[in-house]
Amino acid sequence: QVQLVQSESELKKPGASVMVSCEASGYTFSDYAINWVRQAPGQGLEWMGWINTKTGNPTYAQGFTGRFDLSLDTSVSTTYLRISKLNAEDTAIYYCARALSAAGTAENAYWGQGTLVTVSS
Amino acid sequence: QSALTQPRSVSGSPGQSVTISCTGTSSDVGGHNLVTWYQQHPGKAPKFIIYDVSKRPSGVPDRFSGSKSGNTAFLTISGLRADDEADYYCCSYAGRYTSVFGTGTKVTVL
Repeated sequence: QVQLVQSESELKKPGASVMVSCEASGYTFSDYAINWVRQAPGQGLEWMGWINTKTGNPTYAQGFTGRFDLSLDTSVSTTYLRISKLNAEDTAIYYCARALSAAGTAENAYWGQGTLVTVSS
Repeated sequence: QSALTQPRSVSGSPGQSVTISCTGTSSDVGGHNLVTWYQQHPGKAPKFIIYDVSKRPSGVPDRFSGSKSGNTAFLTISGLRADDEADYYCCSYAGRYTSVFGTGTKVTVL
C-alpha cells in the first residue's frame, strides 16, 4: 500500500535551518509528483510547492521562495524540504502528499503524517 | 496567489444536508476543472474526498458530492453524520503548475 513516512518533530532556534524528509513506498516513486503543505497552529492549509519526481525540478508557491528548498533522492524514494533562516512564523506542521499524476498539484490522494517544526529561542 | 474564499463555518443537524462554497477567480477555480476537497479531523492529516470538481475516490461515500459554477465550487454533504464534523478545505489548480487552498470551513453537527 502507498505510504509516506515523514521525519520526526524538530525544535530549532531562530536563524537555524531544518530539513524534513518524506520517504515513499508502495508505488513507483518517479511516477507521481510530491507536494508540500504547511499548516500553522490553528490555521488553514497552505500549498507550498511540489517536486517533479522524474526530473527533480521544484516549483514554489509565492511566499515560499528563497528560504525554502525542495529536493529528492530517488535511490531511497525520499523527498526533502529544507527551510533556512528559520523564524517564529515558520512554526507549523509540514505535510508531504502524493499527487494522482506525475505533475499534479491540487489532487493529493496520499499524505504523510506531518512533521511539526517548532522555532523557539 | 490569494487563498480561495470559504465560509468560516456551517452547521446542520444529523440527516440534513450542508453545502460549502469555495470562491476563487477565473485564474483558478473558474479556469480549470481541477478542484479538490479535503476533510481534516483535529490532529489528523487531510483526507482526499473529491477531485476534478466532482469525482469521488474509492471508499468515499456518495453522501459527499462536488460541483462548480463559474468561479465557485461547492461541496455538499448529504445525510449529515456526527463523524462528518471536521474542517473542510478546497484546493484548486491555479495555472503554471501551482495550486491554492481555500481558507477552510468548520462543519459542526448539531
